[in-house]
Amino acid sequence: AQSVTQLDSHVSVSEGTPVLLRCNYSSSYSPSLFWYVQHPNKGLQLLLKYTSAATLVKGINGFEAEFKKSETSFHLTKPSAHMSDAAEYFCVVIPTGGSYIPTFGRGTSLIVHP
Amino acid sequence: GAGVSQSPSNKVTEKGKDVELRCDPISGHTALYWYRQRLGQGLEFLIYFQGNSAPDKSGLPSDRFSAERTGESVSTLTIQRTQQEDSAVYLCASSLGGQGQETQYFGPGTRLLVL
Repeated sequence: AQSVTQLDSHVSVSEGTPVLLRCNYSSSYSPSLFWYVQHPNKGLQLLLKYTSAATLVKGINGFEAEFKKSETSFHLTKPSAHMSDAAEYFCVVIPTGGSYIPTFGRGTSLIVHP
Repeated sequence: GAGVSQSPSNKVTEKGKDVELRCDPISGHTALYWYRQRLGQGLEFLIYFQGNSAPDKSGLPSDRFSAERTGESVSTLTIQRTQQEDSAVYLCASSLGGQGQETQYFGPGTRLLVL
């Protein structure tokens, strides 16, 4: 069994300040972990993914995430928010054994204030 | 094509009617996924295909939902006797393989409204 918990449904930051979107997971198998972003009226796009290589993963648009097995976490960060970062962010876990069924978190809405 | 396409982009139907949603994946992608996204919710996994086979159908909400894929290409999701709770955006995604590590590429979705 697997699950994903995105700890905040909404995160509000000011432009230029750091962003932290939190994700915790559980998985019976070693997981692959992903962050996807969904801008208003646009399709989902991959931000970054962890697939058992380096635990610190860099993605597009300055985002990065660190896989911490001991904490079962995969939090998404960015040093300085931009107005264009306002979107819905989804954390996803896919087991690397068994059924390969993806499980999506409920999403975190990032609001960026000028 | 350049990306995953879905049709129709919007569908309004009456309760009790059947609807068919179509997904054209990226050429060469062997894995294809269907999801449902209700308003303000995350994505709910429905079914995935590896080639033309669906290894796991347990995500389908009821026996009114069915899906098929032919030629390791186009997939259709059929909802029979639609209900108002079926109203949602139905998303399709494809990936090069289905072993859990590949990036999924998403289509724009079909927005279904059941009156």
